[in-house]
Amino acid sequence: AQSVSQHNHHVILSEAASLELGCNYSYGGTVNLFWYVQYPGQHLQLLLKYFSGDPLVKGIKGFEAEFIKSKFSFNLRKPSVQWSDTAEYFCAVNSKAAGNKLTFGGGTRVLVKP
Amino acid sequence: DVKVTQSSRYLVKRTGEKVFLECVQDMDHENMFWYRQDPGLGLRLIYFSYDVKMKEKGDIPEGYSVSREKKERFSLILESASTNQTSMYLCASSSSPHEQYFGPGTRLTVT
Repeated sequence: AQSVSQHNHHVILSEAASLELGCNYSYGGTVNLFWYVQYPGQHLQLLLKYFSGDPLVKGIKGFEAEFIKSKFSFNLRKPSVQWSDTAEYFCAVNSKAAGNKLTFGGGTRVLVKP
Repeated sequence: DVKVTQSSRYLVKRTGEKVFLECVQDMDHENMFWYRQDPGLGLRLIYFSYDVKMKEKGDIPEGYSVSREKKERFSLILESASTNQTSMYLCASSSSPHEQYFGPGTRLTVT
C-alpha cells in the first residue's frame, strides 16, 4: 500500500522567509503527485500537480515543487512567504496500481508571522 | 468552476443516532469520495465510488456506509454514530485520474 510522509507538522516563519515542506512517498511505481492547501475556513484546493515531464512544477501563488524519483520525494518550496500563506498544506499521491485513490500525508500547518 | 456542496457545515448528533451526510457535485464527474480529516492524520479515505450504484471501501470504512443513486450525489451514512466519529468530513469529486475537487466539509460532533 502506498503511504505519504510529511516531515513537519508545524512550521512557523516570518514574512519574506523561504519555505520548504518535505514530502516522501512509499510507492515505487508510476505515481501522480499533488500538493493541496487549506486556508483557514476555506475548502481544500489544489496548489500544484505532477503527472509527467519536467520534474520542477510551478503552481499558483509562487509555489513550486520538485519531483525527485530516486528519493521518492516531492518537496514544496516558496522563496519568500507572505502572511497570506498561513494555511495547512497536504501532499498527496495516487497511482494506477492503487486504483487511482489519493493517499494524503498528515499535513503541515504553516504559520507566517507578519 | 467545479462546485462540490455538502448539506451541512456543522452537525451535532447523539451517540447511536443514524447520520446522513450529503454531497452534490455539478461537473458530471464519474468519481466521488468521502474522507475524514483529523489533526495530524491528514485525510483518510472512507469510501469512494466510480459510478452510479457502485461503491468501494477506502482505508477506514468501518462504521460507515454510502449510497450513490444518482451520478451527482454521494451520501455518507453513519449507521449508529459513536464519539470516535467526531471529525471533519470532506467530500470530493474527480474525472480520474485528475485532481479531486473538494467540498467545504461538514464538522460532525457526536456527543
